[in-house]
Amino acid sequence: DIVLTQSPVLAVSLGQRATISCRASQSVSISSINLMHWYQQKPGQQPKLLIYRASNLASGIPARFSGSGSGTDFTLTIDPVQADDIAAYYCQQSRESPFTFGSGTKLEIK
Amino acid sequence: EVQLQQSGAELVRPGTSVKLSCKVSGDTIIAYYMHFVKQRPGQGLEWIGRIDPEDDSTKYAKKFKNKATLTADTSSNTAYLKLSSLTSEDTATYFCTTGGNNFDYWGQGVMVTVSS
Repeated sequence: DIVLTQSPVLAVSLGQRATISCRASQSVSISSINLMHWYQQKPGQQPKLLIYRASNLASGIPARFSGSGSGTDFTLTIDPVQADDIAAYYCQQSRESPFTFGSGTKLEIK
Repeated sequence: EVQLQQSGAELVRPGTSVKLSCKVSGDTIIAYYMHFVKQRPGQGLEWIGRIDPEDDSTKYAKKFKNKATLTADTSSNTAYLKLSSLTSEDTATYFCTTGGNNFDYWGQGVMVTVSS
């Protein structure tokens, strides 16, 4: 199985940039297609798709969210961070079954 | 807009089974694969498996192969997750999710509590 590693917690100040990383145990890219996706989950809610295929903004998601990366290393950036962004963020790969998730990064305010 | 409506919370006895439903509106269920995801209290997300409602083919994560069964009914636009031989380890919220860009749409989740 492909293991996705995320740092458990990230603390940032409001208005600053948050950079959340995700490292895969093997490449999740096929040719130029990067099969990594990012989700936001607030307590008591279902996850919400933010970024698909590494860098594509999902419908209705503000442009202060962006994604980058390829191969095994991926990043979700939130700039600037707002109070409403306090949540857990998960990366997830669809390169191969099982479609694993990272363990999540909780974004906290400094 | 696609919406996924899941069945209500369940309190079930150890050793029994439970069948959860996920009804699709706003599109036909055969448009995309339907996936199910498990989340234990305070924990992360775990992919259970997926079904292709067009031909009923399924794929499961290894640890759920003898635990979960996915089915779909195209006439009612509904997918189902059956969990068998329930233990306390199965106490969790279960989500259905689907979409063309991977997991675009999510159900609200169903809390399953396994307790005697």
